Amino acid sequence: QKEVEQDPGPLSVPEGAIVSLNCTYSNSAFQYFMWYRQYSRKGPELLMYTYSSGNKEDGRFTAQVDKSSKYISLFIRDSQPSDSATYLCAMGGGGSYIPTFGRGTSLIVHP
Amino acid sequence: GAGVSQSPSNKVTEKGKDVELRCDPISGHTALYWYRQSLGQGLEFLIYFQGNSAPDKSGLPSDRFSAERTGGSVSTLTIQRTQQEDSAVYLCASSPTSDRSEQFFGPGTRLTVL
Repeated sequence: QKEVEQDPGPLSVPEGAIVSLNCTYSNSAFQYFMWYRQYSRKGPELLMYTYSSGNKEDGRFTAQVDKSSKYISLFIRDSQPSDSATYLCAMGGGGSYIPTFGRGTSLIVHP
Repeated sequence: GAGVSQSPSNKVTEKGKDVELRCDPISGHTALYWYRQSLGQGLEFLIYFQGNSAPDKSGLPSDRFSAERTGGSVSTLTIQRTQQEDSAVYLCASSPTSDRSEQFFGPGTRLTVL
């Protein structure tokens, strides 16, 4: 079992839909949780950073962490074609300075 | 402010040649990471620098790979005697502190070994 599991997709949704992206993990020592967006032929861009369990909202994006279930989510409201990208989850802490990344989920928002 | 920059953006080389990839981190960031991303694959950690401490080289795939960071700022990743399987996007990231994993990535260098 990989330390971080993320469905590669692709996930295809119509414009305006609510998108739910998820990762599960096995290392209970993880304390920091991040979501990155990566457009084709670009570097990953940090979208959300959360510490421990709970929710964090930023505009159309909401990150949710459930440490008891070892499950994190990213919700995108009113999705736009410009949201089409690969979304990578990442997590770290517990004495390691090197975060562990999921393989990314490809999202396609069609007009 | 300026983000992480990497050069060159693209590099095509012949098998057996050496290549050098450069990373300029965000000013003031103490931590610097190199990753490799192959088509359809996730991010593969290569090496981590933190201040003046000895780097964590645990992710380097072979002794053909090496990296240095001069003056706690610019970093160079060197691949000697390149092989076709080295073809990938090489990403650099920097982080403001050592006790958080929040990273800011550069645009990457796309390396193609013919």
